[in-house]
Amino acid sequence: DTAVSQTPKYLVTQMGNDKSIKCEQNLGHDTMYWYKQDSKKFLKIMFSYNNKELIINETVPNRFSPKSPDKAHLNLHINSLELGDSAVYFCASRRTSGSLTETQYFGPGTRLLVL
Amino acid sequence: TQLLEQSPQFLSIQEGENLTVYCNSSSVFSSLQWYRQEPGEGPVLLVTVVTGGEVKKLKRLTFQFGDARKDSSLHITAAQPGDTGLYLCAGPDSGTYKYIFGTGTRLKVLA
Repeated sequence: DTAVSQTPKYLVTQMGNDKSIKCEQNLGHDTMYWYKQDSKKFLKIMFSYNNKELIINETVPNRFSPKSPDKAHLNLHINSLELGDSAVYFCASRRTSGSLTETQYFGPGTRLLVL
Repeated sequence: TQLLEQSPQFLSIQEGENLTVYCNSSSVFSSLQWYRQEPGEGPVLLVTVVTGGEVKKLKRLTFQFGDARKDSSLHITAAQPGDTGLYLCAGPDSGTYKYIFGTGTRLKVLA
């Protein structure tokens, strides 16, 4: 019954490694997001896809590469991990309509710790 | 860039007290949303306000959208420990699919 799921929930890795986070939604939504929440709990958008097409790409290092194989999935690959990448990464989805008042549904988050 | 500032940043109160959290911007938003995030979980939408001056109630929570649509408030009556969490306001960035989130208010209600 999980609406938006992410794997893994926890990720501890060494600096310089490459890692991926996966996100899946079973809500039939066509817009998906990646957010980063820092230690001060500030939530900032990173990317958004609509129908597998990248529509938002904030000022994010190009070590971060999102991929959307289909409307229900949005993965995030991170190359050459740095200490500053440590954060909680949230996936979210919503139905696209003419209004931005549609509810965004968030996943449980992936807690990334880079050592 | 549109910004949303929340105050207070931290709030620790006793069960049964009332509180108000504010979300302010110098920009006009077409709508504002309020989310609650519990530890270890993702944010969950509480309410969306759309019309300037609009007031919405959700049990003990009252949400208001400013007349000029630049600010919003969340008032909790008789707070309970279950209200503990991070409260976030968010609004759509004009002309994009992007949501801008506020700086957050961390609320702790002590039993």
